Amino acid sequence: AQSVTQLGSHVSVSEGALVLLRCNYSSSVPPYLFWYVQYPNQGLQLLLKYTSAATLVKGINGFEAEFKKSETSFHLTKPSAHMSDAAEYFCAVSDSGANSKLTFGKGITLSVRP
Amino acid sequence: KAGVTQTPRYLIKTRGQQVTLSCSPISGHRSVSWYQQTPGQGLQFLFEYFSETQRNKGNFPGRFSGRQFSNSRSEMNVSTLELGDSALYLCASSFRQGAGTEAFFGQGTRLTVV
Repeated sequence: AQSVTQLGSHVSVSEGALVLLRCNYSSSVPPYLFWYVQYPNQGLQLLLKYTSAATLVKGINGFEAEFKKSETSFHLTKPSAHMSDAAEYFCAVSDSGANSKLTFGKGITLSVRP
Repeated sequence: KAGVTQTPRYLIKTRGQQVTLSCSPISGHRSVSWYQQTPGQGLQFLFEYFSETQRNKGNFPGRFSGRQFSNSRSEMNVSTLELGDSALYLCASSFRQGAGTEAFFGQGTRLTVV
């Protein structure tokens, strides 16, 4: 079964600093990978999606992620953090086959210091 | 285009009662999935419906059930509520079924069981 691992539960950065949120996947087949963001008392918003078309995926709000098969990783980055980026971030992998089930990591809370 | 609408946003129920949650997908989307989010277990897949048929089911007891109507709207029902059912229930809609499909989430229904 596919799974994703997000190490650590909390990351704190200064405003303007690089954001790096780590995600490693486990999959026996080429995976579909996603990053979602959740603001307090809200649902999940899709940031970006990897579908094997390109290893570097650009998403919304200045985020991007790079798929590295050799490292089984799909880390999320943003060159310069903004206060509005403070939220919880989830990495997810799509099940294979005909169903759309997503398996999520435990999430990482991003804090941005002024 | 309207997003995924979940009603109600908040619910308080007593142990032993039952509850029905509603989800209206994005217009034109035919796949609806449900997820449970708790601090301890994170995001867990409940079930997926496509064309009024349950296509996939997560590892939840039979007290959790759902259905989908011909207009793609979906409901989930939890019977004999337990304290542990307190959670944020998220509905996601997709244009189609299948691996790699983008899922768009509603704001969720916050269920509190007392």
